[in-house]
Amino acid sequence: KAGVTQTPRYLIKTRGQQVTLSCSPISGHRSVSWYQQTPGQGLQFLFEYFSETQRNKGNFPGRFSGRQFSNSRSEMNVSTLELGDSALYLCASSLDRITGELFFGEGSRLTVL
Amino acid sequence: GIQVEQSPPDLILQEGANSTLRCNFSDSVNNLQWFHQNPWGQLINLFYIPSGTKQNGRLSATTVATERYSLLYISSSQTTDSGVYFCAGHYYNQAGTALIFGKGTTLSVSS
Repeated sequence: KAGVTQTPRYLIKTRGQQVTLSCSPISGHRSVSWYQQTPGQGLQFLFEYFSETQRNKGNFPGRFSGRQFSNSRSEMNVSTLELGDSALYLCASSLDRITGELFFGEGSRLTVL
Repeated sequence: GIQVEQSPPDLILQEGANSTLRCNFSDSVNNLQWFHQNPWGQLINLFYIPSGTKQNGRLSATTVATERYSLLYISSSQTTDSGVYFCAGHYYNQAGTALIFGKGTTLSVSS
């Protein structure tokens, strides 16, 4: 059974650009959640998607958005990139909701110059 | 408030030693999970343990939900156990359910 797949693994952008990250959950899993990891703030919850609907969002500005497709794949977008957006972005999938057991992908490492 | 606190922050061991990592969580946090972050950044699921005890090889975990703590035991540690260990739990806020992580315990095992 394939695990959670995130693409791209690494990317470099410049300030002001936007970026889209993709996450394919484990087959049959319906919940996808996203997290940002930085040395200063640690691991922080971004948002959860379930049945193509955003169920909750962490304390992040509106520049951070996402969506989920009917096949449960999810994308997150960060617009007007800032230097502080440099981070490892992780997504996790779970069978039902975020309250269940989570399985993480390998992450997308974003560097903003 | 909503808190997940891990201790110790750093742990240095010789290969073969045993260790215990602790995670304290506040009343509003539930459904504890333990993860190991590998050198490439991926969080590897170790245990989903809302309560009780589970074992997987050299690793075991116990959560005492009524006392708001969880313990991760690593026996006969190996150099491949090195890395950062995180515990996390879910909580409810006004908008729904979210996940909160501890700051992690960095384990270094030397041969």
